[in-house]
Amino acid sequence: GQSLEQPSEVTAVEGAIVQINCTYQTSGFYGLSWYQQHDGGAPTFLSYNALDGLEETGRFSSFLSRSDSYGYLLLQELQMKDSASYFCAVSKGSASKIIFGSGTRLSIRP
Amino acid sequence: NAGVTQTPKFQVLKTGQSMTLQCAQDMNHEYMSWYRQDPGMGLRLIHYSVGAGITDQGEVPNGYNVSRSTTEDFPLRLLSAAPSQTSVYFCASRDRDTEAFFGQGTRLTVV
Repeated sequence: GQSLEQPSEVTAVEGAIVQINCTYQTSGFYGLSWYQQHDGGAPTFLSYNALDGLEETGRFSSFLSRSDSYGYLLLQELQMKDSASYFCAVSKGSASKIIFGSGTRLSIRP
Repeated sequence: NAGVTQTPKFQVLKTGQSMTLQCAQDMNHEYMSWYRQDPGMGLRLIHYSVGAGITDQGEVPNGYNVSRSTTEDFPLRLLSAAPSQTSVYFCASRDRDTEAFFGQGTRLTVV
């Protein structure tokens, strides 16, 4: 089987930095990705890590440690529009399938 | 560029009815998947496909069938709808090691 653990809710202040952690237990791990979903919308891709280290895309960064089965998403200069749910997801089985975590609901306060 | 198109957007079924949710993509992606998302929950993988003629079960396959006769289309069939299948269904497509593109979802209610 597999499991992914991420906090259910996080609250942060506009302009601040927030980190959303994800730990996973799975066989056949291939990579870790992050998706954003606004209420009523479809998930959209944010970032992907196949190798250890940090990937940066604008205000968003993602980190992976394969030895620790751990990753995180870092959001900088938070904006009100960043209020959404964030999902970590593992690719497994030669990336044939993607399994999602239960999501972290991020609320931004002015 | 349409991306991933799901139809219908909304559907109400009676218990025991069957129906097919349609999913089509125009990006020539090999990998396609179906997920369901219950309120306040993550996405759970129902079935997936790595190419035409190849499908496999995900985390919650019971009560659903799929087929992949073409690269573009990946329909999901509900065999005999049950209230427990009330959910939002998302179809996604991607190349092997790249981002997944999601359709806008089908909101299904089974009464």
